[in-house]
This record gives sequence, structure tokens and C-alpha cells, in this order.
Amino acid sequence: GDSVTQMEGPVTLSEEAFLTINCTYTATGYPSLFWYVQYPGEGLQLLLKATKADDKGSNKGFEATYRKETTSFHLEKGSVQVSDSAVYFCALSSPSGNTPLVFGKGTRLSVIA
Amino acid sequence: DGGITQSPKYLFRKEGQNVTLSCEQNLNHDAMYWYRQDPGQGLRLIYYSQIVNDFQKGDIAEGYSVSREKKESFPLTVTSAQKNPTAFYLCASNRRQNTGELFFGEGSRLTVL
Repeated sequence: GDSVTQMEGPVTLSEEAFLTINCTYTATGYPSLFWYVQYPGEGLQLLLKATKADDKGSNKGFEATYRKETTSFHLEKGSVQVSDSAVYFCALSSPSGNTPLVFGKGTRLSVIA
Repeated sequence: DGGITQSPKYLFRKEGQNVTLSCEQNLNHDAMYWYRQDPGQGLRLIYYSQIVNDFQKGDIAEGYSVSREKKESFPLTVTSAQKNPTAFYLCASNRRQNTGELFFGEGSRLTVL
């Protein structure tokens, strides 16, 4: 079945460092891909998405490019802030349209001043 | 403001007691979901519903029950059959199955004493 694998955390960075969180997927066909963010004590919220190959999703300085050839959707940010400390989830939406979103296990990011 | 409301935010129960978690949405979404979140395990799907009076089991439905009598409401009952119920529970919804963007509530933290 469809699955998402993301790098295990926790990831600890200094403020203004470059961030990459790796995400790869397994799916039949062409899924839509998502990054969700969860701030402490809250639910998840959509950060960005891409619906077809080579699409780049972006929001709040974060970017991710849908790479079909490597089945990847890595999250990047050029300069992280303390306020970016959160748990980040990669997810995919099956192209069959018959099953709920599939989530990765999440990566905890801590940014220190 | 439209959104998803979960209640209560914190709940304590004794072993052997059933407890019901409330989830209400005013987004006019067709599909609703319940997830369980444990440290290091990401999100696991308990139940989901695509339409009123219909619902499907997710990956970890044992020990849980749901109902969907109204479009806006999808309560989750954690029964005494659930062996390890202490967790953070998240409710989510979207317009229809597999449109991708899920909207989440702020979660309910259940602790069994």
C-alpha cells in the first residue's frame, strides 16, 4: 500500500540555519503530496502542498518540490527561526481517491537562539 | 469563524470507564476523521466517515466506537476494551474524501489513571 517515510528526529538547529527534512513516498500512480505542521499542544495545519510532478509548494519561507523520479518531497527553509520549532508531517493523498491521507511519523524540529 | 471544535481539551478517566470525545465542525465538510497520536508514532487513523450514517474502520479501531448522525458531528467513544487509551486524539475533516487538505481540531488529551 501507499506509504510515507520521513527522516527521524529530533532535529536541532541554531537560528538562521538551513533546514532540510527528507520525505520519500511509495504510491501507485501520481499522488498529491503535503507538509503539515503541528505547534506544541495544537492540531495540525497545512503548510504547503504539490499536486503533480515538478510542482513546488511554498509557504512562510518553506519550500518543497515534488520529484517523481526520486519519489521525494523534501521540506526546506533557508533560515529557520525559533518560532519554526514544531513537528512536521509529510503526507500523501492516494491517486485512487479511495483512502484517507497517509502520514509519515513526523519530525520534531527545535530551533535555538 | 469556521472550524473544528474538540472537547474536552483534557480528560481523565479511571480504568474500566468509557469516555466520549466530542468533535463538531461548521465547515460543511462531508468527511470526518479521528486520529490517535502517541510520541514517536505519528498519526494513526482510528475511524473515518465520508457521509452521514456511514463510517469505516481505520488502522486501530479496536476498543473505539463512533457515530455520524449529523454532518457536523463525529463523536468518538473510547471504551474499556481499549487497552492503552492514554493518548492525544485529533479530529479532522475535509470537503470530501481525498481532496487532500485536512482541517484539524486542537485535540483532546486523554489520561487514564
